Amino acid sequence: GAVVSQHPSWVICKSGTSVKIECRSLDFQATTMFWYRQFPKQSLMLMATSNEGSKATYEQGVEKDKFLINHASLTLSTLTVTSAHPEDSSFYICSARKLDSYNEQFFGPGTRLTVL
Amino acid sequence: SQQGEEDPQALSIQEGENATMNCSYKTSINNLQWYRQNSGRGLVHLILIRSNEREKHSGRLRVTLDTSKKSSSLLITASRAADTASYFCARSDMRFGAGTRLTVKP
Repeated sequence: GAVVSQHPSWVICKSGTSVKIECRSLDFQATTMFWYRQFPKQSLMLMATSNEGSKATYEQGVEKDKFLINHASLTLSTLTVTSAHPEDSSFYICSARKLDSYNEQFFGPGTRLTVL
Repeated sequence: SQQGEEDPQALSIQEGENATMNCSYKTSINNLQWYRQNSGRGLVHLILIRSNEREKHSGRLRVTLDTSKKSSSLLITASRAADTASYFCARSDMRFGAGTRLTVKP
């Protein structure tokens, strides 16, 4: 149990287009999901915390209008990279918080975005 | 990294040796989690240790937590080549440390 999926697993797009990444908790409900980006050989940087039914909380320095987050249900959060540019190329990872006493996080497999 | 540091940044050992990685943090935590990531892949959860715990074991993994020093360590005993990966700690607010890249040579 406690599986998180991401779709797509990789995407290549042209500069200026928008890309949507989905994060789903497959067998549990997640009121909170987290979005990260990771550059090669670096750690995960928390971008935003996504709460079901409310606006996402963005980390300092992360543009809200650039990275649109929608947490429409207890099993789905989406990250849309708007007007993507080559510098947005990165590995995007989501995680979902399972509501139990351990407050454990479960991570998706990641989405590799390449903007040409 | 976001309010967490790990050392060493890179560690190279021979198979069979033990590997110790350390993680420090700056603010109070409810728990701390350790993760493993193979190159270009997703994260695998290893251990969660709560703030009222001092030590936790899982197979060849041993995690300690010292809240007075705001630090944690991950020990991998009898390492294997398959343990080669990056290891990260994450605070309870899900901010990650810089990570340690572990290479285990066969």
